[in-house]
Amino acid sequence: QVQLVQSGAEVKEPESSVKVSCKTSGGTFSTYAITWVRQAPGQGLEWMGGIIPFFGTPKYAQKFQDRLTITADESTTTVHMELSSLRSDDTAVYFCARGGKGDCTSTSCYWSWFDPWGQGTLVTVS
Amino acid sequence: QSALTQPASVSGSPGQSITISCIGTSSDVGSYNYVSWYQQLPGKAPKLMIFDVNYRPSGVSDRFSGSRSGNTASLTISGLQTEDEADYFCCSYAGSSTLVVFGGGTKLTVI
Repeated sequence: QVQLVQSGAEVKEPESSVKVSCKTSGGTFSTYAITWVRQAPGQGLEWMGGIIPFFGTPKYAQKFQDRLTITADESTTTVHMELSSLRSDDTAVYFCARGGKGDCTSTSCYWSWFDPWGQGTLVTVS
Repeated sequence: QSALTQPASVSGSPGQSITISCIGTSSDVGSYNYVSWYQQLPGKAPKLMIFDVNYRPSGVSDRFSGSRSGNTASLTISGLQTEDEADYFCCSYAGSSTLVVFGGGTKLTVI
């Protein structure tokens, strides 16, 4: 059974950075995408970016291009998401989720659907 | 403003059927067979309910079904149950530049 377990809640000051980790277990690490999605209080889901460990190159939503870094550590099967220059409107629950089918033959397949999801990490910027 | 448009809320009575729409464009919903739907209970992580437009993951009730017509995807829940009360989000692959877009979410109330 595949599980994604995220690091704990964080409280950060404006202009600082936060790093959230997503530890995967129970499945193949490198042949799936790990994506990051955030949800501000009372709001919808917002796709931030992701990485396919096999290829190593992260993809970012344009909105976060200049302050988001996603990395994958195959030795620990963990993906990290670091968001810098934090603002109050970055206060949100951040989720990681696994994307793709494990046997994708096209790039689009890795971003086709997301399952399972991590439990979420609350980041408060104050 | 979300890239995909969903109604803010829908409601139904137990046993009824409801449909949630998800309006996209020819750059996302209308172009790829990668529309998915997620159920989110309060305080929980989203759960995959439909993938590839109309496929159900193992363990998801067959009361949930997905479809698409043009640039609009839909989630239908038949035989509504009180436990279906949740937020529902649609999602689509949107090409190699944008990659992924979500809908704003629909709150389902089972009256």
